[in-house]
Amino acid sequence: KQEVTQIPAALSVPEGENLVLNCSFTDSAIYNLQWFRQDPGKGLTSLLLIQSSQREQTSGRLNASLDKSSGRSTLYIAASQPGDSATYLCAVRRDTGRRALTFGSGTRLQVQP
Amino acid sequence: NAGVTQTPKFRILKIGQSMTLQCTQDMNHNYMYWYRQDPGMGLKLIYYSVGAGITDKGEVPNGYNVSRSTTEDFPLRLELAAPSQTSVYFCASSTSFGGQGADVSTEAFFGQGTRLTVV
Repeated sequence: KQEVTQIPAALSVPEGENLVLNCSFTDSAIYNLQWFRQDPGKGLTSLLLIQSSQREQTSGRLNASLDKSSGRSTLYIAASQPGDSATYLCAVRRDTGRRALTFGSGTRLQVQP
Repeated sequence: NAGVTQTPKFRILKIGQSMTLQCTQDMNHNYMYWYRQDPGMGLKLIYYSVGAGITDKGEVPNGYNVSRSTTEDFPLRLELAAPSQTSVYFCASSTSFGGQGADVSTEAFFGQGTRLTVV
């Protein structure tokens, strides 16, 4: 059974810092990995999707990397801003069988002005 | 640009009542999913569907039922609501997977959620 773990569970940083959020998964037979942002009381917004054949994806100040063999992904946020404050969720999709997303519990980020 | 639409946004149910959470998508996606999210937790899969007429159980299906009569709609039915079903429910959709060797993006799109309280 796929298990997804996100560390840290919560993070508070001053504005302007570069930061890294971690995601690990137990079964490396994945099709892709997706990072989401969730604002309080809101739905999920897709940030980046990495196919299993890719090593990284970039969008603006965000960069996500994938090391499938070691079961790890990182989300790098450059020059953090108060507007980045949200919960960040990592989810992996299996390569076979039931191909729904399996989610981690998220990292709650607070960026202090 | 509707994407995935869920109704209602909020609902309070009494123990033992029933209700249907509606989900519709306009992206012609074959795959649709229902998740629940409890406070401080990730999302857990309730049911999913790979196309009209095909549904299957996820991790936490007890107390729920689904149907998929069209590509667009995937309603979730709660029978005999219990306090343990108090949660936020999310519907999602994605494209089909490619054939062997194909590297098709299956980005998942989520609705805004339904916050359900059972009292």
